[in-house]
Amino acid sequence: DTGVSQNPRHKITKRGQNVTFRCDPISEHNRLYWYRQTLGQGPEFLTYFQNEAQLEKSRLLSDRFSAERPKGSFSTLEIQRTEQGDSAMYLCASSLEGGAGSEQFFGPGTRLTVL
Amino acid sequence: GNSVTQMEGPVTLSEEAFLTINCTYTATGYPSLFWYVQYPGEGLQLLLKATKADDKGSNKGFEATYRKETTSFHLEKGSVQVSDSAVYFCALRGERANSKLTFGKGITLSVRP
Repeated sequence: DTGVSQNPRHKITKRGQNVTFRCDPISEHNRLYWYRQTLGQGPEFLTYFQNEAQLEKSRLLSDRFSAERPKGSFSTLEIQRTEQGDSAMYLCASSLEGGAGSEQFFGPGTRLTVL
Repeated sequence: GNSVTQMEGPVTLSEEAFLTINCTYTATGYPSLFWYVQYPGEGLQLLLKATKADDKGSNKGFEATYRKETTSFHLEKGSVQVSDSAVYFCALRGERANSKLTFGKGITLSVRP
C-alpha cells in the first residue's frame, strides 16, 4: 500500500459552484479524518469517520459541507455553493483503531482555489 | 477546549547548529503529544510522539519530552542539517482515543549550509 491518496490534487472553481474531493485511506485503516489548512496555519479538524459512521463534526463544517464514507472505504467531501473563504488545503488522514498514541497518516491534500 | 501554542517563526539556522522549537499546550487530563513535519512539496509526516508525562519521543536525531508540570513539548536537535529544512507542527490529541488532532500554527525552519 502506498499510503493515503487524495484526488484531485488541485481544484480551481468559481464561487457558487459545487466541488467534491475524494480520499482513499490506507486499506486496513478503519478511521478517517478530514482537516482544512489555510496559509500560515496548522490543520483544523473538520470531521471523522469510524468505518462508515460519521462520529464527530466540527462547527467549522457548515451545512454547505457534507462528507460520506460509504462501506467504510474511501471518503468524499463535498462543498456546495463554494465561497472564496473555502479556499484552503483539504487534508485527509487515516488510522487504525488503537490507543491514544495511534498515528494518523496524512495524504498530500487537495488545494482548493475559489475565484 | 484544547489548544497548542508554538513559538513564532520563521527560524533560520546554520548547519550543525542546535535547534529548539517551543511548544506549549492547554488540555484537560492527559493528552498525547506529537510533532509532525512537512517537507517542501510533501504531506504531513509524524516525526515523534509521547503519550504520557515524562515520556521522551525521538526520531532522526530530534527529541521532545512530555512535561506535564509546564504543559510543554519542546522539540530539540543537537545538530541540524540542510535536509531538516521544513515546516514543523506541534499537535495534541485528547484522552479519548478517537479524538481529533489539534495543531499549532507551525514554524518554518530553514537551515543554510
